[in-house]
Amino acid sequence: AQKVTQAQTEISVVEKEDVTLDCVYETRDTTYYLFWYKQPPSGELVFLIRRNSFDEQNEISGRYSWNFQKSTSSFNFTITASQVVDSAVYFCALRTTTDSWGKFQFGAGTQVVVTP
Amino acid sequence: EAQVTQNPRYLITVTGKKLTVTCSQNMNHEYMSWYRQDPGLGLRQIYYSMNVEVTDKGDVPEGYKVSRKEKRNFPLILESPSPNQTSLYFCASSSGTAHGYTFGSGTRLTVV
Repeated sequence: AQKVTQAQTEISVVEKEDVTLDCVYETRDTTYYLFWYKQPPSGELVFLIRRNSFDEQNEISGRYSWNFQKSTSSFNFTITASQVVDSAVYFCALRTTTDSWGKFQFGAGTQVVVTP
Repeated sequence: EAQVTQNPRYLITVTGKKLTVTCSQNMNHEYMSWYRQDPGLGLRQIYYSMNVEVTDKGDVPEGYKVSRKEKRNFPLILESPSPNQTSLYFCASSSGTAHGYTFGSGTRLTVV
């Protein structure tokens, strides 16, 4: 069975602080994909990044960066110099290719609140 | 514009009255899926489909039905809605197992 755990329910920061969101996953598959999505107050789900299980390189996109570590089954997400517009719920998700072809498992989400 | 369209956006209904939430995608995606979102529980998968006439249960399929008669459409059917199905529902589509889902704008359903 696959599982995604986002232990942080809510994180509150002041603008310009860095914030790191934790994501720990479980799967028996060797081939899998990890994702992060953002859900702003307007409610839509916005894709941020995809990472496959064979690529452990960290990635940076503007103020966003991701740290994938297979040894600890973690795929953490950092927002550098946070802004009010970063206030949203962030979801980590896991998709495997062999266990259940269509299943896409989300974590419970982490609410990020950035205050001016 | 590539998108997933679901209707209606908002729906209030009474217990036991059958309803259908429609979902359509214009990206020729094979995979489609339905999720419900509830506070503190994140997004839970209801059903998913790999292609026409191929569907499978997700984590919370009880009380729901789906059909995939055409590639672009994947309606969610509640035969006899109950108040515990009050939720925010998302339809999504994907081009393959290596890809994430593109989500619709959501349907907020209230069952009284």
